[in-house]
Amino acid sequence: DAKTTQPPSMDCAEGRAANLPCNHSTISGNEYVYWYRQIHSQGPQYIIHGLKNNETNEMASLIITEDRKSSTLILPHATLRDTAVYYCIVRENTNAGKSTFGDGTTLTVKP
Amino acid sequence: DTGVSQDPRHKITKRGQNVTFRCDPISEHNRLYWYRQTLGQGPEFLTYFQNEAQLEKSRLLSDRFSAERPKGSFSTLEIQRTEQGDSAMYLCASSSSRAVLTNEKLFFGSGTQLSVL
Repeated sequence: DAKTTQPPSMDCAEGRAANLPCNHSTISGNEYVYWYRQIHSQGPQYIIHGLKNNETNEMASLIITEDRKSSTLILPHATLRDTAVYYCIVRENTNAGKSTFGDGTTLTVKP
Repeated sequence: DTGVSQDPRHKITKRGQNVTFRCDPISEHNRLYWYRQTLGQGPEFLTYFQNEAQLEKSRLLSDRFSAERPKGSFSTLEIQRTEQGDSAMYLCASSSSRAVLTNEKLFFGSGTQLSVL
């Protein structure tokens, strides 16, 4: 299964865009990139996922490079409530249906 | 959609005791997952059910751990003879079978925090 690499921590000013990078250089052709976040004392929350094309929803945008070896999660206008650990996951293409989480990026949004 | 519910929210036990956690997935979700998370790390996969069938177990799931989903709805995770190393957050997640596995969103509960003294 493909592994992901994320910076351990990032800061962002409130109201600015937060750009969280993820490297997944060993991703295979039919594996999706997923992003989840975990706010303190809660379970992870799904944010967005994609295969090849860029994706946008009400929470965030996902930019996947053409070679699919990396991606960026964009929170367009970060708020203090976006402070969380963000996990980038490449979904295993097996019947197991399990997701392998790394240690994620701790995003701190500062006023 | 009432979300994934886990009970209890916190559990403190003494080493050697048995504990059982319960997870109620989102109704109509037939896939259910258990994960374990220790402080500062991401969740680690433990086991996975589709309906009542337990389809995969991680090597992390020692023989002291057992999970069931008898009627394909709620699930229980039991830890026998608890050890201090079992202290962690135990997370449950569910998903819909209508999603193919590579295009599947997991919905997590808030977890059960276990402390073994």
